Amino acid sequence: GAVVSQHPSRVICKSGTSVKIECRSLDFQATTMFWYRQFPKQSLMLMATSNEGSKATYEQGVEKDKFLINHASLTLSTLTVTSAHPEDSSFYICSARDVAGGRWNEQFFGPGTRLTVL
Amino acid sequence: AQSVTQLGSHVSVSEGALVLLRCNYSSSVPPYLFWYVQYPNQGLQLLLKYTSAATLVKGINGFEAEFKKSETSFHLTKPSAHMSDAAEYFCAVGTSGTYKYIFGTGTRLKVLA
Repeated sequence: GAVVSQHPSRVICKSGTSVKIECRSLDFQATTMFWYRQFPKQSLMLMATSNEGSKATYEQGVEKDKFLINHASLTLSTLTVTSAHPEDSSFYICSARDVAGGRWNEQFFGPGTRLTVL
Repeated sequence: AQSVTQLGSHVSVSEGALVLLRCNYSSSVPPYLFWYVQYPNQGLQLLLKYTSAATLVKGINGFEAEFKKSETSFHLTKPSAHMSDAAEYFCAVGTSGTYKYIFGTGTRLKVLA
């Protein structure tokens, strides 16, 4: 149980376009989802915390107008990279909390999305 | 503020040898600690977690970790390394309330034949 999926797994886009990444909790309801960014051979950096039905909370230094996060349902959060540029190329990973499952302090991670901006 | 330090960005061991990956944490409140493994171009897989129960935590694939409050450590060990253990390992500390994770910088484990 507690499976998280991401779509797409890989995306290549041209500079200046927008890209949407979906994060879904498949077998549980996730009131809170997290979005991370990982550069090659580096650790995961938390970008934002997404709560269902409310605005996302962004970490310091993350441009909220560039990385739009929507958490419209208990099983879906989306990250839209607007006007993407090559420096936005990265591995984006989402995670979700399963509060009803008793594992309230644990995050379940998606498989990640590789974004390449040309 | 909470933080995590992983000593050694790269660790090499021979197949069959002991694996020891180090993690030290800083937390003003009782921490929740996690070890994750990441294979290339994949997400994170939970190896084990400490949530204030037993200090010696057993995880998957033969890994275990011991929470030592006096040393503020949560080192990951495995008695005998296998080639399939070669991957990136991350230690993380969780914060109650916000439920955020703070990740260490990671340790790349190489297993030599």
